[in-house]
Amino acid sequence: NAGVTQTPKFRILKIGQSMTLQCTQDMNHNYMYWYRQDPGMGLKLIYYSVGAGITDKGEVPNGYNVSRSTTEDFPLRLELAAPSQTSVYFCASSYGQGISEQYFGPGTRLTVT
Amino acid sequence: AQKITQTQPGMFVQEKEAVTLDCTYDTSDQSYGLFWYKQPSSGEMIFLIYQGSYDEQNATEGRYSLNFQKARKSANLVISASQLGDSAMYFCAMSFANTNAGKSTFGDGTTLTVKP
Repeated sequence: NAGVTQTPKFRILKIGQSMTLQCTQDMNHNYMYWYRQDPGMGLKLIYYSVGAGITDKGEVPNGYNVSRSTTEDFPLRLELAAPSQTSVYFCASSYGQGISEQYFGPGTRLTVT
Repeated sequence: AQKITQTQPGMFVQEKEAVTLDCTYDTSDQSYGLFWYKQPSSGEMIFLIYQGSYDEQNATEGRYSLNFQKARKSANLVISASQLGDSAMYFCAMSFANTNAGKSTFGDGTTLTVKP
């Protein structure tokens, strides 16, 4: 049981490039989340999904897109990377109807230069 | 709007002593959950403890307890008998049910340092 896995662990992007952060969970959780964590700060919700085919914006969605075609996968797409997107990105999943502990992936450290 | 406030950017505690990390929240939802997570310097997020908005008793998990005061909208984490391995960043978080299910909000965290 791998839990929540994220790839890559590290990435350096040039301004204007695009990339997809991958997230997979094997716990059959309905809910999945993407957060970003800037240095010394808390987590900010980018997008979330309550099930396959259903996604919604969180607090800081600008510059990102998501899709949820399967229960297991929830990729995050960065289009036209900007230095302000330099951050650590966490994917998480949870079971149940919203009020449930979240299981986090190890994070992806992204630098945009 | 839903908001979590952690007013202590950094805290120090002597090994084996107890420490309280503060968390206040703001929401108009009736059904919500409050969580505490630990983030060591290695970066992973570790779930510690949960309190539901309808729970009448304070949650406890080993050395962790949650002091839930609903009227004051506070959900403080108490760590008893601190250990050196407790040195980490601690986040208070809130999640919701019903129409806001899926939305989560985190505080900015408190860095705890345990002194030997």
